[in-house]
Amino acid sequence: AQTVTQSQPEMSVQEAETVTLSCTYDTSESNYYLFWYKQPPSRQMILVIRQEAYKQQNATENRFSVNFQKAAKSFSLKISDSQLGDTAMYFCAFMTRPPYNFNKFYFGSGTKLNVKP
Amino acid sequence: NAGVTQTPKFQVLKTGQSMTLQCAQDMNHEYMSWYRQDPGMGLRLIHYSVGAGITDQGEVPNGYNVSRSTTEDFPLRLLSAAPSQTSVYFCASSSAPTGGRYNEQFFGPGTRLTVL
Repeated sequence: AQTVTQSQPEMSVQEAETVTLSCTYDTSESNYYLFWYKQPPSRQMILVIRQEAYKQQNATENRFSVNFQKAAKSFSLKISDSQLGDTAMYFCAFMTRPPYNFNKFYFGSGTKLNVKP
Repeated sequence: NAGVTQTPKFQVLKTGQSMTLQCAQDMNHEYMSWYRQDPGMGLRLIHYSVGAGITDQGEVPNGYNVSRSTTEDFPLRLLSAAPSQTSVYFCASSSAPTGGRYNEQFFGPGTRLTVL
């Protein structure tokens, strides 16, 4: 079974500063995907960044980057130059990789990020 | 494209009532799924479908029923609502993996359901 753990229920950061959200996971799979999703108060789930487990290079998307440590089963999200619009719940998620019949997602419990002006 | 749409946005039921949450997508996606989100927890998979006529159970299927007669629609039925089913429900869709690669999953805006 796959499990995803986010140990920080809530975090705060000052605008323009950098913050890191932690995520660990447990799996016996060797090929999988990892994701960070953002959920603002509107409830919409927005994909922030994804990482393929077989790729050693850490994924980056503008101000968002990850630190993927496969051996440690760790997948943290770094947000640089934090903006007020980054205030949201952030979910770490794991997905089994094809050739499974369906790619099941497993989500962590979320970290609520507050960006302060 | 409207993407993934869900109706209603909000619903209040009494214990024992039944209802159907609607989900539709206009992207011709093969895969569709239903999740529930409870306070302090991430999304958990209820049921999923890999194509019209094919459905299967996820992590938390009890008390829910699904069918998929068309590619576009994937309704979720609550057979006899219970307070434990108070939650926010998300529908999602994606195209089937091609060449072993992942295709992005798109989420609907969610339905907030309260069972009294």
